[in-house]
Amino acid sequence: GEDVEQSLFLSVREGDSSVINCTYTDSSSTYLYWYKQEPGAGLQLLTYIFSNMDMKQDQRLTVLLNKKDKHLSLRIADTQTGDSAIYFCADHNQAGTALIFGKGTTLSVSS
Amino acid sequence: SAVISQKPSRDICQRGTSLTIQCQVDSQVTMMFWYRQQPGQSLTLIATANQGSEATYESGFVIDKFPISRPNLTFSTLTVSNMSPEDSSIYLCSATRGEKGNEQYFGPGTRLTVT
Repeated sequence: GEDVEQSLFLSVREGDSSVINCTYTDSSSTYLYWYKQEPGAGLQLLTYIFSNMDMKQDQRLTVLLNKKDKHLSLRIADTQTGDSAIYFCADHNQAGTALIFGKGTTLSVSS
Repeated sequence: SAVISQKPSRDICQRGTSLTIQCQVDSQVTMMFWYRQQPGQSLTLIATANQGSEATYESGFVIDKFPISRPNLTFSTLTVSNMSPEDSSIYLCSATRGEKGNEQYFGPGTRLTVT
């Protein structure tokens, strides 16, 4: 079945760039997503990328997609302490309806 | 986007009892889903809530344990039946309009603790 893998932890200093990586197995994915979950909160949709795009930029966020390698990354420029959270990569299930999530990457930003 | 609210936000329940969680969306959506997030884990899909018909359950989840209703296009309930401590999780409702991007939005979650 479909699978989404992420590294579990990333620690950066305030002002540095953060890069969170994700790999997925479903080559028919149309959209791929990044969600953010702050402590005790629900999931916030950060951004998504259409599968025919290589890159999408939205303010401090840059998403890179390598379809050949089934690799997705989220770059956060000028990382702030408020960016500390768990970041989930997500793909659609085989039915193309619900989402399959990676285990989440905990981003820790130190000042 | 869609704004999703859930009630209750948290609860502590006794083993063997049942809890019904409500999910309300601020506008009509095409699909609604229920996910579970166990402590320190990722999200797992429980079922797709179908309007006017029985929910579609994922492997490992059954209707007797997690009955779901969706009487209209903006509202759904999930019941966690005959609870045990293993059911302690965050339960999240989500919805999509199926528009460009097929964006899926999430409620704030219901944090359930079973003692």
